[in-house]
Amino acid sequence: GENVEQHPSTLSVQEGDSAVIKCTYSDSASNYFPWYKQELGKRPQLIIDIRSNVGEKKDQRIAVTLNKTAKHFSLHITETQPEDSAVYFCAATFRGFQKLVFGTGTRLLVSP
Amino acid sequence: DSGVTQTPKHLITATGQRVTLRCSPRSGDLSVYWYQQSLDQGLQFLIQYYNGEERAKGNILERFSAQQFPDLHSELNLSSLELGDSALYFCASSGQGEEKLFFGSGTQLSVL
Repeated sequence: GENVEQHPSTLSVQEGDSAVIKCTYSDSASNYFPWYKQELGKRPQLIIDIRSNVGEKKDQRIAVTLNKTAKHFSLHITETQPEDSAVYFCAATFRGFQKLVFGTGTRLLVSP
Repeated sequence: DSGVTQTPKHLITATGQRVTLRCSPRSGDLSVYWYQQSLDQGLQFLIQYYNGEERAKGNILERFSAQQFPDLHSELNLSSLELGDSALYFCASSGQGEEKLFFGSGTQLSVL
């Protein structure tokens, strides 16, 4: 089926630590993998994305890695700050980008 | 501001009633997507329209229907409402050939 699994569901770190969120997808034809950040009561916002022809992408303190063979991709946040606290969703396209299916979300809490 | 406009922001209604949620995509975007987010739940894909035509369907109930009009705005109709339909309903849009989704602020539906 069209499925994206995301782990962990909650993640607590100390300010300055790194955070890693992992996702797996079911369709080997999936070719686009975005990550969204959703603050409480607000809309999901795209923070970084990666396409299947790239293994890694970095934007300042955030990076995403993709392992197509394992159908696995991860979000890495370094030097976490309290304002990074939010719910993070991974997603993957299915049926050639007719559908963008989201993971179940990871609630990240960064403590000062 | 993502450029995607959703109205109303809040909607309170009773079981058995029918409501219409409205979405205006970003200027020039042809694709509109609807997602449902229940309390502490992920983003469930409901349906996608492209330039007025239905392109993909997700876990959308038969009591729900949607359409996209010639001016590209979209409406999601929810009928015979049940308590379990209470959720935050997001609309998103993307440009032609673009995979990035831009979300509206959502409509919070409360069924009492």
